[in-house]
Amino acid sequence: AQKITQTQPGMFVQEKEAVTLDCTYDTSDPSYGLFWYKQPSSGEMIFLIYQGSYDQQNATEGRYSLNFQKARKSANLVISASQLGDSAMYFCAMREGWDTGNQFYFGTGTSLTVIP
Amino acid sequence: SAVISQKPSRDICQRGTSLTIQCQVDSQVTMMFWYRQQPGQSLTLIATANQGSEATYESGFVIDKFPISRPNLTFSTLTVSNMSPEDSSIYLCSVEDRGHTIYFGEGSWLTVV
Repeated sequence: AQKITQTQPGMFVQEKEAVTLDCTYDTSDPSYGLFWYKQPSSGEMIFLIYQGSYDQQNATEGRYSLNFQKARKSANLVISASQLGDSAMYFCAMREGWDTGNQFYFGTGTSLTVIP
Repeated sequence: SAVISQKPSRDICQRGTSLTIQCQVDSQVTMMFWYRQQPGQSLTLIATANQGSEATYESGFVIDKFPISRPNLTFSTLTVSNMSPEDSSIYLCSVEDRGHTIYFGEGSWLTVV
């Protein structure tokens, strides 16, 4: 089974609107971390936000928030007030356990296009 | 977060040649990771590089094809040997911070012709 599933290959959003990018995960480890990265056309991978499995509250970082639903094993990224610069690929990732060097599992990504 | 610099940022290489990608971190880190991202695909871990020991390669990647050096705690290199068009990818260096988040360099776009 896939560790990380992103079912939306491409998404469009109007500028200034909010958009939700879906991510579901699969693990039996009670300790895990969930991450979102942004990859613009330049190719760099930019860390956006992190959610730990024991965190009680949803993570937020500026315009980014993570809608963490543990029972449903979902970790959707919400971008509020979309900007043209948000157009990029977005990858959801997970690591199991807290040992240094544990492998990260990446989803297949969602391409977001912000329309002026 | 660590600042990670990669060189070259882009290169076009001839089939059969080799290219070495450098990764420099602004702080000492125990582990460095090398990923490959083929066109339109997600990231695949190539290997984990610890200072002072042999790199650990993931299934499907071998040292003869992707030799890695890790001479100190702030620097690593990845060589892509005997390149073919299938090696055309973005190669990304990354490090893990104390909060267990991984950060990436700018990536090295490699096109093999």
